[in-house]
Amino acid sequence: AQSVTQLGSHVSVSEGALVLLRCNYSSSVPPYLFWYVQYPNQGLQLLLKYTSAATLVKGINGFEAEFKKSETSFHLTKPSAHMSDAAEYFCAVSGRGTSYGKLTFGQGTILTVHP
Amino acid sequence: DADVTQTPRNRITKTGKRIMLECSQTKGHDRMYWYRQDPGLGLQLIYYSFDVKDINKGEISDGYSVSRQAQAKFSLSLESAIPNQTALYFCATSDPGGTGETDTQYFGPGTRLTVL
Repeated sequence: AQSVTQLGSHVSVSEGALVLLRCNYSSSVPPYLFWYVQYPNQGLQLLLKYTSAATLVKGINGFEAEFKKSETSFHLTKPSAHMSDAAEYFCAVSGRGTSYGKLTFGQGTILTVHP
Repeated sequence: DADVTQTPRNRITKTGKRIMLECSQTKGHDRMYWYRQDPGLGLQLIYYSFDVKDINKGEISDGYSVSRQAQAKFSLSLESAIPNQTALYFCATSDPGGTGETDTQYFGPGTRLTVL
């Protein structure tokens, strides 16, 4: 069984400020972890994924996430927010064995960026 | 051209009507998925197919059925639509690629369905 919890359904930051979106997961097997972004009226686009190689994963648009097994976390960060980062962000987990290839999503976090 | 397309993009229907949502992909992927998105709930898996002869139920399959007509086409049907099926529906595809790592899913633009 696997699950994902995203802490905070809405996050608001100023342009140029640090972005931190929190994700905690539960998985009975070593997980694969993903962050997806959804811009208004669009489908989901992959930002980055963790596949058991490096624990610090760099993605597109300056985002990165760190896998911390002891904390069961995979938080998404960006040092300096841009107006174009405003979107909804989803954390997702995929497992191995019977969970292989199936994604379980968190509830989503809407990021607002203020000028 | 988009790799994963969904038709229609928007649909309004009435309670009790049968409706089909279609998904086509040009990525050559074997695996296809249908999700629904509701505000505050994220995406929930309805059905998935790992190849043309393989169909599996997801978390919320009740009230839905699917058909995998070909590698490139995966349709979702609502046999008798009800208002709580009003949602945004996404199709996705993936391909493990033989690397042993989990596959990345690629999403279509979504179909916004309203059941009155």
